[in-house]
Amino acid sequence: EAQVTQNPRYLITVTGKKLTVTCSQNMNHEYMSWYRQDPGLGLRQIYYSMNVEVTDKGDVPEGYKVSRKEKRNFPLILESPSPNQTSLYFCASSRPGLANYNEQFFGPGTRLTVL
Amino acid sequence: ILNVEQSPQSLHVQEGDSTNFTCSFPSSNFYALHWYRWETAKSPEALFVMTLNGDEKKKGRISATLNTKEGYSYLYIKGSQPEDSATYLCASVKGAQKLVFGQGTRLTINP
Repeated sequence: EAQVTQNPRYLITVTGKKLTVTCSQNMNHEYMSWYRQDPGLGLRQIYYSMNVEVTDKGDVPEGYKVSRKEKRNFPLILESPSPNQTSLYFCASSRPGLANYNEQFFGPGTRLTVL
Repeated sequence: ILNVEQSPQSLHVQEGDSTNFTCSFPSSNFYALHWYRWETAKSPEALFVMTLNGDEKKKGRISATLNTKEGYSYLYIKGSQPEDSATYLCASVKGAQKLVFGQGTRLTINP
């Protein structure tokens, strides 16, 4: 089954404790992206990757890191989480295409709480 | 318009009624507009990706139109059913590969 998976689905952690949220897709998609969703603000793009070893900042990259060593995986790293990073996070992937003409496939989401 | 804006923010419709809502986006340097349907506790799912001015797309009872010159898109739902209850998101492609989402329209269908 074609899908995007994220782990963990739920996480409660404390300020400053490094964490990684994994994202994996089995559709051989080149493009992958991370979003956060906060009430009243909609989905905001954190980072995206056009291919292996190619990553770029979205609109809200501060406090996050990503890596793209393999095509299927795109982990999101919070080196020193803070309470303002409490949010619902989505990973997404899509086929390559000029100017992102192709629909994005979203993972199930990770609800993160930073105390 | 600097951002992607959706209206209304929420909408209650009687089962069987038709409804529509709006997505406004920057008309300059337009690349594409995406519509997604997001049910509670699930992931957003793509409805349409639209690129051409005047384009109209349809999927079952849901259709969308696009006006790139004035920077808006309408989503229509004909004969609303309870399973149509969801948040509908639009997103404009910014630059080459960034997506900017609106806040969404939360639709509730009353039986």
